[in-house]
Amino acid sequence: QKEVEQDPGPLSVPEGAIVSLNCTYSNSAFQYFMWYRQYSRKGPELLMYTYSSGNKEDGRFTAQVDKSSKYISLFIRDSQPSDSATYLCAMYRGAGNQFYFGTGTSLTVIP
Amino acid sequence: DTEVTQTPKHLVMGMTNKKSLKCEQHMGHRAMYWYKQKAKKPPELMFVYSYEKLSINESVPSRFSPECPNSSLLNLHLHALQPEDSALYLCASSQELGNYNQPQHFGDGTRLSIL
Repeated sequence: QKEVEQDPGPLSVPEGAIVSLNCTYSNSAFQYFMWYRQYSRKGPELLMYTYSSGNKEDGRFTAQVDKSSKYISLFIRDSQPSDSATYLCAMYRGAGNQFYFGTGTSLTVIP
Repeated sequence: DTEVTQTPKHLVMGMTNKKSLKCEQHMGHRAMYWYKQKAKKPPELMFVYSYEKLSINESVPSRFSPECPNSSLLNLHLHALQPEDSALYLCASSQELGNYNQPQHFGDGTRLSIL
């Protein structure tokens, strides 16, 4: 079983839709959770960073962590064509220095 | 624009060539990383430097040789690469290794093609 599971998509939505991206993980030792956005031919760009269970909001983006279910989500409200990218979840374990990525979800927002 | 700068953006080299990838950050970060990313896959960790010392080597072949000349610079020296080494090579930095309050910041990568 992989440490981090993420549906690769592709996911295609109309402009203005609410997008939900999700990752599950197997190790309850994971404590720090990140979402990165990666445009084609660019490096991953940090979008959201959370530690505790609950919600964190930044503009149109909301990151949600449910440690009891080992499940994290990224919601994008009022999606725009410029949101079209691959979204990678990532997490740190409490011990060791390994940084685990999900496989990434490819999102296309259609004008 | 990213705060981690990588050069060159693109590199094409033959299997017998020697070349170097460069990475620079001026955020005062003391941990720097090299990742390899194949198409439609997540980044795979190669090396980690902490305070200019190699801290993690993820069993990378010796044809890849990292170097950290100072706290702002990270190099990856390439020699006798194979076609399967063609990928996007990403550099990242974070405040300190093991400082879980600070995530990694990535450069835009060098797209490497081996002929």
